[in-house]
Amino acid sequence: NAGVMQNPRHLVRRRGQEARLRCSPMKGHSHVYWYRQLPEEGLKFMVYLQKENIIDESGMPKERFSAEFPKEGPSILRIQQVVRGDSAAYFCASSPPTGLSTDTQYFGPGTRLTVL
Amino acid sequence: RKEVEQDPGPFNVPEGATVAFNCTYSNSASQSFFWYRQDCRKEPKLLMSVYSSGNEDGRFTAQLNRASQYISLLIRDSKLSDSATYLCAVLNQGGKLIFGQGTELSVKP
Repeated sequence: NAGVMQNPRHLVRRRGQEARLRCSPMKGHSHVYWYRQLPEEGLKFMVYLQKENIIDESGMPKERFSAEFPKEGPSILRIQQVVRGDSAAYFCASSPPTGLSTDTQYFGPGTRLTVL
Repeated sequence: RKEVEQDPGPFNVPEGATVAFNCTYSNSASQSFFWYRQDCRKEPKLLMSVYSSGNEDGRFTAQLNRASQYISLLIRDSKLSDSATYLCAVLNQGGKLIFGQGTELSVKP
């Protein structure tokens, strides 16, 4: 059973370009979460999605950031017009469809975004 | 006040030592609690869930004190391979994990 998959593992962008990060949850999981870890900081929640629905986006910056989890295909975190401050590790996690408060989240290997 | 707070360390201990980490949380309505391990800023890996009754997995013991709103992790007989950052995480009712900043552990020969 493959774990959570993320690609690319490393992404370099110049200021002003767009970054698209992909996440495929574990088989059978329908809940996806995105977290960001800035250099020398802890993990911060960004957004929680289920298929075709955004459940909680309270951690997303108000501008330039968007996320989706379509009916088919991976979840996408999109950052438009990247700035140097967006450089970070972006981790995706998934959990089973039960929606129980005890559900464990399993993390993917992350995408390390570097903005030049 | 941060929602989840940990002592950042670092904790430098010799092999074989017992080391304890504590974590406090502010939201009394929090539902579930976890310890994750993170190596060299790779992905967090679940170490163990934390229950009110306490739970043990080999050399690792986790405890939850709801009244005082803290979580602990005890590592006995430390190994070199235990060197990592240990993250306390609290699951709130909305389904998102709130992480502490992590406690760095370095086990020396």
